[in-house]
Amino acid sequence: KNQVEQSPQSLIILEGKNCTLQCNYTVSPFSNLRWYKQDTGRGPVSLTIMTFSENTKSNGRYTATLDADTKQSSLHITASQLSDSASYICVVSGAGGTSYGKLTFGQGTILTVHP
Amino acid sequence: GAVVSQHPSWVICKSGTSVKIECRSLDFQATTMFWYRQFPKQSLMLMATSNEGSKATYEQGVEKDKFLINHASLTLSTLTVTSAHPEDSSFYICSASQIGTQPQHFGDGTRLSIL
Repeated sequence: KNQVEQSPQSLIILEGKNCTLQCNYTVSPFSNLRWYKQDTGRGPVSLTIMTFSENTKSNGRYTATLDADTKQSSLHITASQLSDSASYICVVSGAGGTSYGKLTFGQGTILTVHP
Repeated sequence: GAVVSQHPSWVICKSGTSVKIECRSLDFQATTMFWYRQFPKQSLMLMATSNEGSKATYEQGVEKDKFLINHASLTLSTLTVTSAHPEDSSFYICSASQIGTQPQHFGDGTRLSIL
């Protein structure tokens, strides 16, 4: 069964600090992995997208890594800001067969940044 | 680019009422639209996939007569929750892609509250 597991479930940090969110997946065959940011009461917004051959990708203060061998990804947030408070969702897209193009969502990590 | 607009953003209605939610792709033609439901502190759950001009494909456990989906044009899909009951209260999010396997762009969601 295709699954995406994220940790931690929630995280509280102080403004200015860094943090790393984890994502493990069992989706196979694999097409790509995306990290989304979802503010409360809003739809998800894409932060990064990574394919099988990509190990790291940055988008401003967000840096995602991917290890396709161990099926793990991380999202590192640098110099956190209050506006970073949101749910961060790891989403994996399958390739081929019945998984083709189908998205499997993680349950999200709720990040709270305190002043 | 790739903006998806969802309307209304919030609706409160009495039990037994039917509610229609619209999803529009504003600057691209969406051959495929997706409808998700999200309960508090949970991840998005795919309800159905609709291709323009075709009948929607529903996920297992989703009642197609309860959740009517219409995708009559390349820029508009609607979800109608028929005879809504309190257990249908949830956050409904649509997404759209130009081709089924291309990146999905999410709307901002509709908060549905059934009294």
